[in-house]
Amino acid sequence: EAQLVESGGGLVKPGESLRLACSASGFSFTNAWMTWVRQAPGKGLEWVGRIRSNIDGGGRTEYAASVKGRFTFSRDDARNTLYLQMNSLKIEDTAVYYCTRDPPDSSGIHPDAFDLWGQGTMVTVSS
Amino acid sequence: SFVLTQSPSVSVAPGQTARISCGGNNIGSKSVHWYQQKPGQAPVLVVYDDSDRPSGIPERFSGSNSGNTATLTVDRVDAGDEADYYCQVWGDGVVVFGGGTKLTVL
Repeated sequence: EAQLVESGGGLVKPGESLRLACSASGFSFTNAWMTWVRQAPGKGLEWVGRIRSNIDGGGRTEYAASVKGRFTFSRDDARNTLYLQMNSLKIEDTAVYYCTRDPPDSSGIHPDAFDLWGQGTMVTVSS
Repeated sequence: SFVLTQSPSVSVAPGQTARISCGGNNIGSKSVHWYQQKPGQAPVLVVYDDSDRPSGIPERFSGSNSGNTATLTVDRVDAGDEADYYCQVWGDGVVVFGGGTKLTVL
């Protein structure tokens, strides 16, 4: 069964850093394009950005304007793990962070949708 | 940037049909995807590419998209359908989500 499990959330002060991890299992992580989505408490979903696969996307990354220059995505295909390095954190970065998967071609699902989500990890930025 | 507009809430009685709209400039030219999110849980894809359902999603969930409005329809609503619903597209090179609609089953 395909699964994503996030970890690394916690309480940090403004200006500090935090690294989240997303462990993938049950599917070919090496081929997967992965996306981060966040949700502030009581608010809607917000796209954070995407990292393409190394195989057919060159590992290219794309970021939302709100996090560009502060957040960095990376992946370790040998460990089936996705990372989100968050620097210079702001109070408005407080949210549950979800990792999601762009659907594989074999699923038949439109590639712009997100067919698999982790349970999320909470990041709280507060002084 | 592309904006998706959803009504904050929709209420229906059990057994009735719920229609959740998602407005955007010429959204009919885009592929729209819908997610269901129950309290304390991660979102779940319920409709993709305007009107297709992933495996395991009941036929009661359907979608349409034309002009400036996409619509998620839930037939024969029951208490288990009570949740927040979000529409999503790729627009102007970024992923855009609607603000979400809370479906309340009366």
